[in-house]
Amino acid sequence: NAGVMQNPRHLVRRRGQEARLRCSPMKGHSHVYWYRQLPEEGLKFMVYLQKENIIDESGMPKERFSAEFPKEGPSILRIQQVVRGDSAAYFCASSLFGDKGETQYFGPGTRLLVL
Amino acid sequence: AQSVTQLGSHVSVSEGALVLLRCNYSSSVPPYLFWYVQYPNQGLQLLLKYTTGATLVKGINGFEAEFKKSETSFHLTKPSAHMSDAAEYFCAVRKTTGTASKLTFGTGTRLQVTL
Repeated sequence: NAGVMQNPRHLVRRRGQEARLRCSPMKGHSHVYWYRQLPEEGLKFMVYLQKENIIDESGMPKERFSAEFPKEGPSILRIQQVVRGDSAAYFCASSLFGDKGETQYFGPGTRLLVL
Repeated sequence: AQSVTQLGSHVSVSEGALVLLRCNYSSSVPPYLFWYVQYPNQGLQLLLKYTTGATLVKGINGFEAEFKKSETSFHLTKPSAHMSDAAEYFCAVRKTTGTASKLTFGTGTRLQVTL
């Protein structure tokens, strides 16, 4: 059973461009979480999605960031007009039921570098 | 609001020595507690978690942690360090009530194992 997959693993963008990060959850998982890890910091929650629904986006910046998890296909984290401060590792996690005691399984991350 | 404090951003131990990584949480209600490990340029892997039941939890790779409600702590230990334990370790909490299912992470402790 394949784990959580993220692509690309590394992404380089110039300031003002758009970044699209993809996450395919573990097979059968319908709950997806996005986290951001800035250099030398822990992971910070961004958004929690269930198929076709955003459940909690309390950690998402108000502007330029959006996320979706369509009925078919991977979850997408989209960053418009990237700035240098967006450089970070972005991790996706998935779980089966979304229960609070349940394990979230993490992908390998996408490392975004904004030049 | 919940928070997690990991004392010591860097810990160095000799191979074969005891590993002790500290984690304290702040929460109005005892949360669910997790320890994750991150190897360089990889995602996070669950080491162990406490949800209910026995307060001493055993995880993978010989690690264990004890939930102490009176001390609001969930320290991670391993009796004998191995070179392969060198990694970054993150303590995380999740609320047991309400709809939010996000993990709140500490800033991490980088473990170095020396010969």
